[in-house]
Amino acid sequence: DTGVSQDPRHKITKRGQNVTFRCDPISEHNRLYWYRQTLGQGPEFLTYFQNEAQLEKSRLLSDRFSAERPKGSFSTLEIQRTEQGDSAMYLCASSSDPNGYTFGSGTRLTVV
Amino acid sequence: LAKTTQPISMDSYEGQEVNITCSHNNIATNDYITWYQQFPSQGPRFIIQGYKTKVTNEVASLFIPADRKSSTLSLPRVSLSDTAVYYCLVGEYNFNKFYFGSGTKLNVKP
Repeated sequence: DTGVSQDPRHKITKRGQNVTFRCDPISEHNRLYWYRQTLGQGPEFLTYFQNEAQLEKSRLLSDRFSAERPKGSFSTLEIQRTEQGDSAMYLCASSSDPNGYTFGSGTRLTVV
Repeated sequence: LAKTTQPISMDSYEGQEVNITCSHNNIATNDYITWYQQFPSQGPRFIIQGYKTKVTNEVASLFIPADRKSSTLSLPRVSLSDTAVYYCLVGEYNFNKFYFGSGTKLNVKP
């Protein structure tokens, strides 16, 4: 296991389409996080899972966004009816303790 | 979440020591200070974490004064590959979300 894996690395979609991103955390990590990062800004927290339970969601996560972690392993982040403002890098991180946050390389979404 | 203030950018030359200071005036008793490094098109990477005084690891040192209202990340003898954005984060040890801010863009010149 070499780290947190995110797929796809890049996604271009037309406004109004739905997109889904996948994150495979480090296998022994029970915590999983999604962040969003726009150009020139730091990552912004979106949501957090402990095992399969989604324990916290940011107000940034509008009704068009949904995240799941069905078996406490991989996670998906879906954006429905995409808007141009959704264009960003979507980062996934996992940890087994507070000192061990490991981020993936992210999925860059471009909405045209 | 205790917010942080960092310089927007810094320039340095190869071989120099770089010190990046972060202000966190509202840090709480239970908060730790964590620094991350981010290269373009990659996720942030953990560098170092501390609560007070000084912490050192193989890549950096973290200096935290007694009042803990600021902290300084020290990178010894930087190289071109240290060109990146550095984020200072403050939160409880078991905190499940971080406020990254805009970070400090370090540019190392030859």
